[in-house]
Amino acid sequence: SAVISQKPSRDICQRGTSLTIQCQVDSQVTMMFWYRQQPGQSLTLIATANQGSEATYESGFVIDKFPISRPNLTFSTLTVSNMSPEDSSIYLCSVSSSGSYNEQFFGPGTRLTVL
Amino acid sequence: AQKVTQAQTEISVVEKEDVTLDCVYETRDTTYYLFWYKQPPSGELVFLIRRNSFDEQNEISGRYSWNFQKSTSSFNFTITASQVVDSAVYFCALRGSGNTPLVFGKGTRLSVIA
Repeated sequence: SAVISQKPSRDICQRGTSLTIQCQVDSQVTMMFWYRQQPGQSLTLIATANQGSEATYESGFVIDKFPISRPNLTFSTLTVSNMSPEDSSIYLCSVSSSGSYNEQFFGPGTRLTVL
Repeated sequence: AQKVTQAQTEISVVEKEDVTLDCVYETRDTTYYLFWYKQPPSGELVFLIRRNSFDEQNEISGRYSWNFQKSTSSFNFTITASQVVDSAVYFCALRGSGNTPLVFGKGTRLSVIA
């Protein structure tokens, strides 16, 4: 199994500012995923972060708005840039194992409110 | 493309009633994995079950049971004798083989009333 921690757990930010969310995993993983959950909605994949290469973004998400870093096999950051109230969401980091168990693990999430 | 449909947006039941949450999926993969997660008001995602496409056996865990039917592309979740603590949003999700991300349904909000 994998234990994932995220920082910060929550934040309240002003419009136009940026916030960087950190995701730390207790084991080495190839791929890390970033999801967004807007209020009352389901989870939507923002991007897939592979160590050593550029993140792959889903339709509707762009690197300028959500830059991602993946400096090693246990850590990733997601930045929410030039925030607006529409960015108020829970942001979740996730990893998967491709072994026989095919687990999918989620961090506790970062609850972001933009005023 | 993969898709998960949870047609029930909200369900309300009285405590001790049985309730079934529906999940229908679409995929072209021959190997895939189905998941159910619970998200209580606190917001964290709680893993409930994972099923792979080659294992159609139904599963029971306490008051929870799951019915996987490939013929109808469904993976339904039943809570027997529901309790107030079961109140949460329940998500069904699907992923293919390898290091692919989960695709989530829109979720079903279950309210269990005492």
